[in-house]
Amino acid sequence: DGGITQSPKYLFRKEGQNVTLSCEQNLNHDAMYWYRQDPGQGLRLIYYSQIVNDFQKGDIAEGYSVSREKKESFPLTVTSAQKNPTAFYLCASIPRGGTGYGYTFGSGTRLTVV
Amino acid sequence: AQKVTQAQTEISVVEKEDVTLDCVYETRDTTYYLFWYKQPPSGELVFLIRRNSFDEQNEISGRYSWNFQKSTSSFNFTITASQVVDSAVYFCALRRTNTGFQKLVFGTGTRLLVSP
Repeated sequence: DGGITQSPKYLFRKEGQNVTLSCEQNLNHDAMYWYRQDPGQGLRLIYYSQIVNDFQKGDIAEGYSVSREKKESFPLTVTSAQKNPTAFYLCASIPRGGTGYGYTFGSGTRLTVV
Repeated sequence: AQKVTQAQTEISVVEKEDVTLDCVYETRDTTYYLFWYKQPPSGELVFLIRRNSFDEQNEISGRYSWNFQKSTSSFNFTITASQVVDSAVYFCALRRTNTGFQKLVFGTGTRLLVSP
């Protein structure tokens, strides 16, 4: 079945460490997104990519980096510059031009700083 | 600027009760899309409905119904005869239609607890 796979499901980061969250989709979708979810704050856009080798900053990009070398993959790196990285991270995708069904989301990665 | 407000942080009901989740939005656009998503404990957001701004017909899908009122900028979601499996966080979202980039603006969500 087509969908989005995020891994790992749980991730622990030490202070000053960079970590990378994986997002893979087999839906042949063009656009991919990373959202951060904090309790009581809804979802906020970190980065998005509408095409391979191109990506743009969202509303809260500081301390994060991404790459889009393949259509299927959009990994997110949480760098040591992100001062408060503990959150739930969701990856999403949508075909070029969109559909009537909104985004398709992955099941998320919960990142905790230890 | 666009904004979505879900004033109800958490709602608790007993199974078989009807429950309405409120959503109020702000936008200067004349055309836009509104969405509802369900987030069960597993974490994945599940698409429920999309509504175009030019279509104010209410919609019913099984036990779910949506009331879109452009005059009050509201897009409320009602679950009839709630069930324990309806327990989740529900998000309302807004998206512009006049840009190539399809950013969704989310509300803060409403947690629904349905007890047996």
